Amino acid sequence: AQSVTQLDSQVPVFEEAPVELRCNYSSSVSVYLFWYVQYPNQGLQLLLKYLSGSTLVKGINGFEAEFNKSQTSFHLRKPSVHISDTAEYFCAVSSNRGDYKLSFGAGTTVTVRA
Amino acid sequence: GAVVSQHPSRVICKSGTSVKIECRSLDFQATTMFWYRQFPKQSLMLMATSNEGSKATYEQGVEKDKFLINHASLTLSTLTVTSAHPEDSSFYICSASQTNQPQHFGDGTRLSIL
Repeated sequence: AQSVTQLDSQVPVFEEAPVELRCNYSSSVSVYLFWYVQYPNQGLQLLLKYLSGSTLVKGINGFEAEFNKSQTSFHLRKPSVHISDTAEYFCAVSSNRGDYKLSFGAGTTVTVRA
Repeated sequence: GAVVSQHPSRVICKSGTSVKIECRSLDFQATTMFWYRQFPKQSLMLMATSNEGSKATYEQGVEKDKFLINHASLTLSTLTVTSAHPEDSSFYICSASQTNQPQHFGDGTRLSIL
């Protein structure tokens, strides 16, 4: 089984400032890793995913994440945020066995202020 | 591509009513569909996994007779909350995936039982 810990429940940030959302995972097998964004009263939108290959993954809306196997982390970053980035962000993990059954972290609320 | 449509987006009904929620993959064939429940300010909890043409696999603690799942075709799964009560009020989200592909999420259904 896999589990995910998102270390920050809330992250306030000023517009145009950088942001980092921390995610650590636990698994006895190799994993796939995901970051999703959820806007109020909506479903989840995939920001980026790590399946294999380069450990630095670039996603939509200027986000990127780096897979660090030794530290079992998959932190999400954006160099300059916009007001529209205000949302809930979820880190998720699945085994790499192909079923893509996800385990989600508790989520991080990002609030961007002008 | 990979659009998942969930309907209705919001439903309000009286206690004791049964409510059906539909999840459709619009531009791909979904071999697997997942149903989640999300409480306010919390993460997604997987309720069940359904594969086309077979019975759904429910997570521990989820009542099969309460939450009926049907996955009759490769593009449609339904979740029926039977004899709903106020404690069933929640945000329900479906997702769909093709074989060995990541999940794509619907926009969710806000269920309110009076």
